[in-house]
Amino acid sequence: DGGITQSPKYLFRKEGQNVTLSCEQNLNHDAMYWYRQDPGQGLRLIYYSQIVNDFQKGDIAEGYSVSREKKESFPLTVTSAQKNPTAFYLCASSINEGGAFFGQGTRLTVV
Amino acid sequence: GNSVTQMEGPVTLSEEAFLTINCTYTATGYPSLFWYVQYPGEGLQLLLKATKADDKGSNKGFEATYRKETTSFHLEKGSVQVSDSAVYFCGMTTDSWGKLQFGAGTQVVVTP
Repeated sequence: DGGITQSPKYLFRKEGQNVTLSCEQNLNHDAMYWYRQDPGQGLRLIYYSQIVNDFQKGDIAEGYSVSREKKESFPLTVTSAQKNPTAFYLCASSINEGGAFFGQGTRLTVV
Repeated sequence: GNSVTQMEGPVTLSEEAFLTINCTYTATGYPSLFWYVQYPGEGLQLLLKATKADDKGSNKGFEATYRKETTSFHLEKGSVQVSDSAVYFCGMTTDSWGKLQFGAGTQVVVTP
């Protein structure tokens, strides 16, 4: 079945550590996105990529980095510069105006 | 700039009640409009969509009509069930890649 897979489902980070969240899709979609969701809040765009080897900052890119070396993969690194990383992270992909498909999310907690 | 505004929650209803969630948008050009649903601890699922004025999207008893004159895309369901309890997001895209902009989400709680 085609879809988007995010891993891990739960992730714990110590202060000062970088962590990487995985996002893989087999939908052959060109565009991929990372959103952050805080409890009771909406979704805020972190980064997006519309083509391999190219990506753009979203509304809250500070403290995050991404890469897009393959069409299928769009990993997100939460760096130590992100002061409040505890949140639910959602990856999505799309091919046109028909709607984006989302993964099941990764819940990141700072310990 | 472009934006999506939806009614604040939580919306609490009894089973079999009528549900309406208001959504309005501001956009240059002609956006495509969407409703997504999020169950606790999960990602977003596309519920329905409309890509041009007067289109009606429908799925699982939910409906929404793209109203260009009022820049609205209100979500309705005639008889809700406990299983409809979730957070509903209104979204739009104005670019050909499908990059979405969302409203803040509306939590719906349906009681037996």
